[in-house]
Amino acid sequence: KAGVTQTPRYLIKTRGQQVTLSCSPISGHRSVSWYQQTPGQGLQFLFEYFSETQRNKGNFPGRFSGRQFSNSRSEMNVSTLELGDSALYLCASSLEYGEGDTEAFFGQGTRLTVV
Amino acid sequence: AQKVTQAQTEISVVEKEDVTLDCVYETRDTTYYLFWYKQPPSGELVFLIRRNSFDEQNEISGRYSWNFQKSTSSFNFTITASQVVDSAVYFCALSERGAETSGARLTFGEGTQLTVNP
Repeated sequence: KAGVTQTPRYLIKTRGQQVTLSCSPISGHRSVSWYQQTPGQGLQFLFEYFSETQRNKGNFPGRFSGRQFSNSRSEMNVSTLELGDSALYLCASSLEYGEGDTEAFFGQGTRLTVV
Repeated sequence: AQKVTQAQTEISVVEKEDVTLDCVYETRDTTYYLFWYKQPPSGELVFLIRRNSFDEQNEISGRYSWNFQKSTSSFNFTITASQVVDSAVYFCALSERGAETSGARLTFGEGTQLTVNP
């Protein structure tokens, strides 16, 4: 069974540009969540999607957005990139939109560097 | 608001030593879930264990064991007879149950870098 696939693995972008990251969840999983990992702030929740609807959002500016497609694949977009957006972006998939005990499986992440 | 604290930033041990990773959490919910994840250099977070707030029974799974104590809001994780392959960053995480949250919304601790030397 294939795991969570994130593409691309590495990205270098210039300040002010925008970027789109992709996540394919485990087959059969319908919930996808995104996390940002930086040395200073650690792992922080960005948002979660289930049935093509955003169900939960972390404390990030509106420059961070996402969507989920009917096949559960998800994309996140960051517009007007800032140097501080440099981070490892992790995607996690879960079977359902659960009640707290749902195990989340993570991808290897996309390493974004903003220069 | 929920919070997870891992006071140990780095731990270094010699192979075959036992090592305990500490985790303290804060939550106002009576129903919540606690997790331990491992992050090897490759980057992905690997699920290790999960515990819910109603089950304080401590268990052993292979070389892993955990000690959940609600009275002290702690969820410590022990690796017995550590191996070099255990070297990674270990994260403790908390998930609350509620109308606005789901199992995938995790609050993570700062992580503990474990280095197991041969």
